Amino acid sequence: GAVVSQHPSWVICKSGTSVKIECRSLDFQATTMFWYRQFPKQSLMLMATSNEGSKATYEQGVEKDKFLINHASLTLSTLTVTSAHPEDSSFYICSAGGSGRAFEQFFGPGTRLTVL
Amino acid sequence: AQTVTQSQPEMSVQEAETVTLSCTYDTSESDYYLFWYKQPPSRQMILVIRQEAYKQQNATENRFSVNFQKAAKSFSLKISDSQLGDAAMYFCAYRRGSSASKIIFGSGTRLSIRP
Repeated sequence: GAVVSQHPSWVICKSGTSVKIECRSLDFQATTMFWYRQFPKQSLMLMATSNEGSKATYEQGVEKDKFLINHASLTLSTLTVTSAHPEDSSFYICSAGGSGRAFEQFFGPGTRLTVL
Repeated sequence: AQTVTQSQPEMSVQEAETVTLSCTYDTSESDYYLFWYKQPPSRQMILVIRQEAYKQQNATENRFSVNFQKAAKSFSLKISDSQLGDAAMYFCAYRRGSSASKIIFGSGTRLSIRP
């Protein structure tokens, strides 16, 4: 299958700072990327869907000003957690989908964010 | 709205035995996909098996097979000859027909394998 990378894999930051997480599709063009959040022992909750060159669509209850998503190219999407607080500590996973109805979505390895 | 329900938070099976994980879903769409994903301790999501709603034949991937009951909106996963490496969190998931559609996940079933 196709490969999706995330960087960094683990980040620790101080409360009030901003953190950027990158999601890259390495061997295909990702027309759509998805950002999920996963708390310990829970399922993946979709935060937002982004299409290359357009604004992200956020799920209900997700603060768009706090979780900034940019899908600048067909291989890169970024999630910026602004003014992070301890409650933002979580595991963030991206997935990328290509064109074509049957195209599978591929998941990145995830980023563990710890806010002190 | 589409929903996916997994009613078994935890399951346990003896190595080499067969186990079935349950999943039900709700949708008014006719064009959709159903998936089972595995999430091992590394937390990398791994696609186990995929079923297209239009296909009546149940999908099979080596030791993994599904029982897709469209009318009942049921989609169970059978793991045959369970191996220690099968221990993981398993998520049932739904997606509308378009590849640009979001995936909706169930709450997950934690599968443990007894040696």
